[in-house]
Amino acid sequence: GAGVSQSPSNKVTEKGKDVELRCDPISGHTALYWYRQSLGQGLEFLIYFQGNSAPDKSGLPSDRFSAERTGGSVSTLTIQRTQQEDSAVYLCASSTRGQPYGYTFGSGTRLTVV
Amino acid sequence: AQTVTQSQPEMSVQEAETVTLSCTYDTSESNYYLFWYKQPPSRQMILVIRQEAYKQQNATENRFSVNFQKAAKSFSLKISDSQLGDTAMYFCAFMKLSGYALNFGKGTSLLVTP
Repeated sequence: GAGVSQSPSNKVTEKGKDVELRCDPISGHTALYWYRQSLGQGLEFLIYFQGNSAPDKSGLPSDRFSAERTGGSVSTLTIQRTQQEDSAVYLCASSTRGQPYGYTFGSGTRLTVV
Repeated sequence: AQTVTQSQPEMSVQEAETVTLSCTYDTSESNYYLFWYKQPPSRQMILVIRQEAYKQQNATENRFSVNFQKAAKSFSLKISDSQLGDTAMYFCAFMKLSGYALNFGKGTSLLVTP
């Protein structure tokens, strides 16, 4: 697509439920990133996918968080047993392999855990 | 680890005036990238300007320019002829030359008033 698409745009969930957030990167972008933006904070790196290489999961805050990327394209970020501190905007970005500095961000998913 | 500090949580400027946003960072790397991103209410992070640390010349993009002081580890953004559409959160970010993850500051909220 023309840009990075994320869905849903907003999600309200009850504490303890699982949620799935989706990211559809720009066609041809081999690199995909997830970031979390908590209220009043900058963005925090979560995970990085590059082609068929093993992802860098070093930023995932707990084992309740996981992500996968199918077919080198669409990615899903899953949060299990959501907690109130998981409330944040989750932003996805993609880039080409040779230009990691050339991020294109999506508009994010605002997750609210009640 | 790299840290990025933005010491001005909020700033205000009148339309057509000039404003400077501050950013300092801490790193042991000698080569890296620095960025300013704009985040309007739509939530999408938009790249404003990028600076390569190995370039001495300050980057410029139309009304946006930076003052890069490598020795002082300072990277300020100057917005000239401010426009109402410049109202947004502005984030300073760092990336290692050989890296892919962005380290962000906590942001500066800029309000442009008529």
